[in-house]
Amino acid sequence: NAGVTQTPKFQVLKTGQSMTLQCAQDMNHNSMYWYRQDPGMGLRLIYYSASEGTTDKGEVPNGYNVSRLNKREFSLRLESAAPSQTSVYFCASSERTLGYGYTFGSGTRLTVV
Amino acid sequence: AQSVAQPEDQVNVAEGNPLTVKCTYSVSGNPYLFWYVQYPNRGLQFLLKYITGDNLVKGSYGFEAEFNKSQTSFHLKKPSALVSDSALYFCAVTMNSGYSTLTFGKGTMLLVSP
Repeated sequence: NAGVTQTPKFQVLKTGQSMTLQCAQDMNHNSMYWYRQDPGMGLRLIYYSASEGTTDKGEVPNGYNVSRLNKREFSLRLESAAPSQTSVYFCASSERTLGYGYTFGSGTRLTVV
Repeated sequence: AQSVAQPEDQVNVAEGNPLTVKCTYSVSGNPYLFWYVQYPNRGLQFLLKYITGDNLVKGSYGFEAEFNKSQTSFHLKKPSALVSDSALYFCAVTMNSGYSTLTFGKGTMLLVSP
């Protein structure tokens, strides 16, 4: 089925470890996004890529880096994980024209101990 | 800057009764408005959107929402709630010109009792 695929689904890291969250979409969308979801805070935008070759910071970019590898793939990297980065991470994609809304992946639940 | 307020953390309703989940927004210019639903341990699913035209928008699973420009609101409604509607609901807004990302509200948990 067409959609947004995120890997891994679950991850436990020790403080200071690094990891990359992977995201791929097969809908030929131009734009891709990384959000984090925390209880009582809704979804907050970490980084986004309006089109292939561009990336921009969102509301909460500190401690993260991203790579738009190609039109399909958009990865999120934690260089030195901190307990404050314990969260559920969602990748999404959309047409550049936002009238179509976003399609979300199923999420990565990350725990940093 | 754009923002969304969902004033209720939780809404409780009995099955068969009508439900309303409230949303107000702030955006420069005219808005695009969306509702998404999240079931436990799942990603967000699109319910409906307002782009332009009729202020009453119909979406998936019998949900509808009414755009009110003067009150800057976009409340989600359903005439008769089902237990299976119990989930977390998010309202989101973006500008309808240029390029802008979606800004989400904090979410409202809907609990429908049998």
